[in-house]
This record gives sequence, C-alpha cells and structure tokens, in this order.
Amino acid sequence: KNQVEQSPQSLIILEGKNCTLQCNYTVSPFSNLRWYKQDTGRGPVSLTIMTFSENTKSNGRYTATLDADTKQSSLHITASQLSDSASYICVVSAGQAGTALIFGKGTTLSVSS
Amino acid sequence: DAMVIQNPRYQVTQFGKPVTLSCSQTLNHNVMYWYQQKSSQAPKLLFHYYDKDFNNEADTPDNFQSRRPNTSFCFLDIRSPGLGDAAMYLCATSSWDGNSPLHFGNGTRLTVT
Repeated sequence: KNQVEQSPQSLIILEGKNCTLQCNYTVSPFSNLRWYKQDTGRGPVSLTIMTFSENTKSNGRYTATLDADTKQSSLHITASQLSDSASYICVVSAGQAGTALIFGKGTTLSVSS
Repeated sequence: DAMVIQNPRYQVTQFGKPVTLSCSQTLNHNVMYWYQQKSSQAPKLLFHYYDKDFNNEADTPDNFQSRRPNTSFCFLDIRSPGLGDAAMYLCATSSWDGNSPLHFGNGTRLTVT
C-alpha cells in the first residue's frame, strides 16, 4: 500500500533556530517527491519538487533532501522565522501530473519568539 | 499575478441544501483538481479534469459533482450536504507534466448546519 509517513507530528522551536522534518515513503512507482507549506486557513504552497536523480534542492531557507534508496526525505529550515509557523506536507507522486499524489499528514511547526 | 482564486472563502449551508463552490485560474493550466481537507488531515482528491475530460476518484460520493465550462473555471456542486461534508475544499491546477507543482487556491471553508 502506498504510504507517506511524516515525523514529528508537531514541533515547537524558538525563532532563529534550525529544524528538520522527516518524511518516509513506500510509494511505487516513484515519480517525484514534493514539500508543501500550508498556513492555517490557506491552500498549500509548493516549496520543492525532487525527482529520483536529485539529492538536494533549496528554496531560500528551506532545503529538502531525498534518499531514494532508503525512501526518505527531509526538509531543513534554517534560521526559523515566526512566519515559518505552518503545516509542512510531504507528497509523493506515483504517476503522471497530480493525479497520483500520496499525501502525508503533515508536520505542524510552531515558531515562537 | 497568475493565480487560483476560490469563492467564497467561507460558505454556510443547511443540511440537505445544495451548494456550489467556484474556482477560477489565470495560469492557463489544463488540469484542475478538487480536494477535500478535514481538520488535521491530508487533502483528499475528489476528482480532476484534464481539459474537459472528467475523472472521478473511485471513493468520491455521488453527492459531489463538478463542472468545468471552460479552461479558467471549475465548479464543485454538493447536491445534498451532510454534516460530514463540512470541510475545507481546495481547488488546484497544474500542467500535464509529472514534475510540475500543484497551484492551490486558498480554499472554501464549508460549514453545514
């Protein structure tokens, strides 16, 4: 069964600190892995998309890594800001376009001052 | 700015009273999706359009219908809303490229009384 598991479920960090969110998946076939940021009451916003051949991808203070052998990904946030408080969703694509996306349940990040 | 716009942001309807949610896009994407997201859960795909071709997910209740009169607009009709249909409804678009991100609207929060 195709599954995407994220950990931790929630996380609280102080402003300015770094953090890493984890994503493990069992999805076949594998097309790509995506990270989305979803602010409360808003739609998800794409942070990165990585294909099988990509190990690392950055978007500003967000850096995603992918280990296709172990089927693990991480999202590292550097120098966190209050605006980073959101849910971070790992999504794995098992096919073409967005019709075969397997969503994780997300990690809720709270950044406090 | 090119974007996905959903209206209304908040919708209250009575049990059993039909309701229509709308979505428009200026991205000229040929794929449009409707997702249902309940509190603290991952978005669940209801159906998608590839151009005018409608694709229903197997477990989407018959109570949910959709229309796409042209490239820019897509509607979600809930024929007889039940209390369990209260959720955030997200519209998204993408190109038919397996490595393109989904662009989400900010959703419509549906309350059923």
